Amino acid sequence: GQNIDQPTEMTATEGAIVQINCTYQTSGFNGLFWYQQHAGEAPTFLSYNVLDGLEEKGRFSSFLSRSKGYSYLLLKELQMKDSASYLCAVLSGGYNKLIFGAGTRLAVHP
Amino acid sequence: DGGITQSPKYLFRKEGQNVTLSCEQNLNHDAMYWYRQDPGQGLRLIYYSQIVNDFQKGDIAEGYSVSREKKESFPLTVTSAQKNPTAFYLCASSIRAAFSNYGYTFGSGTRLTVV
Repeated sequence: GQNIDQPTEMTATEGAIVQINCTYQTSGFNGLFWYQQHAGEAPTFLSYNVLDGLEEKGRFSSFLSRSKGYSYLLLKELQMKDSASYLCAVLSGGYNKLIFGAGTRLAVHP
Repeated sequence: DGGITQSPKYLFRKEGQNVTLSCEQNLNHDAMYWYRQDPGQGLRLIYYSQIVNDFQKGDIAEGYSVSREKKESFPLTVTSAQKNPTAFYLCASSIRAAFSNYGYTFGSGTRLTVV
């Protein structure tokens, strides 16, 4: 079956660093995405990994290990506006279908 | 500016009525998707379409129907057969390539409440 696991909730302090983990088991793998979603809004694209290793983009970095079925999203210098849900999604199969985890709700406190 | 437009943002319907959610894109994307989002759950795929006049069922297609008569439009009908239709519905689109680092572009969503 297809399964994507990530923690339900996390809290962190403004200015700190937080790592959100994602493990996956899917029937195919064509890449892994991270999206940010504020309550009641559309998800917005953060990062894409298809090869093992770390992709850095400003305050956000994403890591992938295909052999372990594991990814993480690293958020540095946290700001209050980073309070949101973070969705891990795997591109699976030949029809460009994204399979989503349940999302991790991050609360950033002053 | 290019994007995806979903309308309306909020929709209320009585139980037993069919309702159609609109999704229009001007990104020239080939593929379009409908997802449903419930509290504490991830996005679940309802239907998707890779090209005009063709669509496939996703993981939770029962009680829903779609059409793809134009490249730009992919409306979703929530029928009375859908047992629990109250949810947040998201439409998305992407370029057709099977290996794409562009992911999806999402609409702003429609929150459907059935009373």
